[in-house]
Amino acid sequence: QSVLTQPPSASGTPGQRVTISCSGSSSNIGSNYVYWYQQLPGTAPKLLIYRSNQRPSGVPDRFSGSKSGTSASLAISGLRSEDEADYYCAAWDDSLSGYVFGTGTKVTVL
Amino acid sequence: QLQLQESGPGLVKPSETLSLTCTVSGGSISSSSYYWGWIRQPPGKGLEWIGSIYYSGSTYYNPSLKSRVTISVDTSKNQFSLKLSSVTAADTAVYYCARHSWGYSSGWYVAFDIWGQGTMVTVSS
Repeated sequence: QSVLTQPPSASGTPGQRVTISCSGSSSNIGSNYVYWYQQLPGTAPKLLIYRSNQRPSGVPDRFSGSKSGTSASLAISGLRSEDEADYYCAAWDDSLSGYVFGTGTKVTVL
Repeated sequence: QLQLQESGPGLVKPSETLSLTCTVSGGSISSSSYYWGWIRQPPGKGLEWIGSIYYSGSTYYNPSLKSRVTISVDTSKNQFSLKLSSVTAADTAVYYCARHSWGYSSGWYVAFDIWGQGTMVTVSS
């Protein structure tokens, strides 16, 4: 059972803004950086956001991350059909001494 | 361009040891800036970090799997490997190897930035 909780699903129409939440605790999100990964169907995960709000080279600025206290969020603006994927948050957990992933959110473009 | 490729048996019998190797190409596994890790994903489920290794041989394991996991590195072959002992059906998953940064600067940062394509391992008799 993951220590980072995400909603199982989120959806929107093309062009809309979708936000995914990631709820943790003081030992993970509250004290360390948050990462977001995008997993397209049948493929390996891809790093989408690092250090809570930074985008790797090549990731569109439609994707943005934020963190406040023990929660984090990923926002996708200008939703596109190719954004349909599973999204995972992740962080180091000081109490567990391990890297933990969120439960995952499936984004559907209606 | 750095690439990672997993290899190993796709079928393992219960109670036996799962063994996988990750071959790194297009760069050196001995880079001082990165660690090398294993992550798995059971069918239809989420991601789980298994453990990581530095080129020097220092290892870090998921506490929930630590008693059964061994990760090793062979710098001469630019490879690192995973062994998971006493497997059960619950260990059936896609296993990914990946490169990641790891450090501390106002908080721990761990970013898996390059992943292998993954290999499916089924535990069944």
